[in-house]
Amino acid sequence: EVQLVESGGGLIQPGGSLRLSCAASGFTFSNYAMTWVRQAPGEGLEWVSTISGGETTTYADSVEGRFTISRDNSRNTLILQMNSLRAEDTAVYFCAKAPWYNGNNDYFDYWGQGTLVTVSS
Amino acid sequence: EIVLTQSPGTLSLSPGERATLSCRASQSVDSNYLAWYQQKPGQAPRLVIHGASHRATGIPDTFSGSGYGTDFTLVISRLEPEDFAVYSCHQYASSPWTFGRGTKVEIK
Repeated sequence: EVQLVESGGGLIQPGGSLRLSCAASGFTFSNYAMTWVRQAPGEGLEWVSTISGGETTTYADSVEGRFTISRDNSRNTLILQMNSLRAEDTAVYFCAKAPWYNGNNDYFDYWGQGTLVTVSS
Repeated sequence: EIVLTQSPGTLSLSPGERATLSCRASQSVDSNYLAWYQQKPGQAPRLVIHGASHRATGIPDTFSGSGYGTDFTLVISRLEPEDFAVYSCHQYASSPWTFGRGTKVEIK
């Protein structure tokens, strides 16, 4: 059974940094692209970043230069390093698995339950 | 960026009734790269449909997706109690990948 479990969310002041993790199990992690999607309170889902199986990364314009996605295939873990956080980054952050390796033109076949990030002073 | 507009915002129906959800794109979604997800409070989103019309693993045949170009539809032919949720569409044809704001299917 595929399981994705996010952790690392919390309350952080504007300008601060936070590191989110997503522990994956139930599939061969290194064979699939992985993605972070977020959902601000009362809003729709928003794509944040994708990393392919080959570690090619892409980012939404809203986080480019501030967030870094990475993966540790030895630990089956997806990571999102978030720097220079802003109030508008407040959201539940979901990790999601893609059905393929490349990370292009992917839907997301499995999702975690999310971790809440609140950016506020 | 492709903007997805979902309608209606809320659909109030009774178990056993038919639900029809719309997702309209601001420009054509190539190759029908359109997915639908089901989301319940506090739970992980669940893939329902991909490729506009292909049911995901474990999704009952009461769910069907259709459409092409800019207009897509999700139909739940007979609502079960567990189907009441928020449904979001997602285009993965053109980066940045975008989502609609969702349609809430609530019990009338």
